[in-house]
Amino acid sequence: DTEVTQTPKHLVMGMTNKKSLKCEQHMGHRAMYWYKQKAKKPPELMFVYSYEKLSINESVPSRFSPECPNSSLLNLHLHALQPEDSALYLCASSPIGASSYEQYFGPGTRLTVT
Amino acid sequence: GENVEQHPSTLSVQEGDSAVIKCTYSDSASNYFPWYKQELGKRPQLIIDIRSNVGEKKDQRIAVTLNKTAKHFSLHITETQPEDSAVYFCAASRLYAGGTSYGKLTFGQGTILTVHP
Repeated sequence: DTEVTQTPKHLVMGMTNKKSLKCEQHMGHRAMYWYKQKAKKPPELMFVYSYEKLSINESVPSRFSPECPNSSLLNLHLHALQPEDSALYLCASSPIGASSYEQYFGPGTRLTVT
Repeated sequence: GENVEQHPSTLSVQEGDSAVIKCTYSDSASNYFPWYKQELGKRPQLIIDIRSNVGEKKDQRIAVTLNKTAKHFSLHITETQPEDSAVYFCAASRLYAGGTSYGKLTFGQGTILTVHP
């Protein structure tokens, strides 16, 4: 398996709902990332996990809660979101060693908050 | 923190022409500079990258140049084809090492490239 997968592809949720986004990779990568991308804008880093430990939180509101249960899986738990949180949520991973810089993105989850 | 400026924001060329996109960065500690191509509704795809110890890198029709002194880097696409039409993002990163290796990408604002047949 040579790619990052994300589920679901699309998600519509109300402001009082709780939902989760899932990201998976089986490339042996030990760093995983969550990005948020609004239309016609670049991806913005939200969280970085390295060896299953949270390494970076870019001052993301607590209504977004990341989790890395194991080296292949990354979740983003969503609760009490606002309409302005509607965006494409991208997961990425990067290998260890000399290629640690290279980040490979999943297809994203398009989230709509109503 | 790092700041990446990207120009132009839109670029329109005829098939077969060359296209050049330029980026500047602010943090002299940045040492990795990737370029991503994102087609409409698709994921960003890494197309080429360059590290700070290299001045130029080429892969078929795509090349990237880096000037560390001036803190700018450029993407060159030759013999453009309609399938090159997409949004291109440059980025800058430094590696956070010490046993927990990961990179923190800062992206430019993107360039919409349109290649007319």
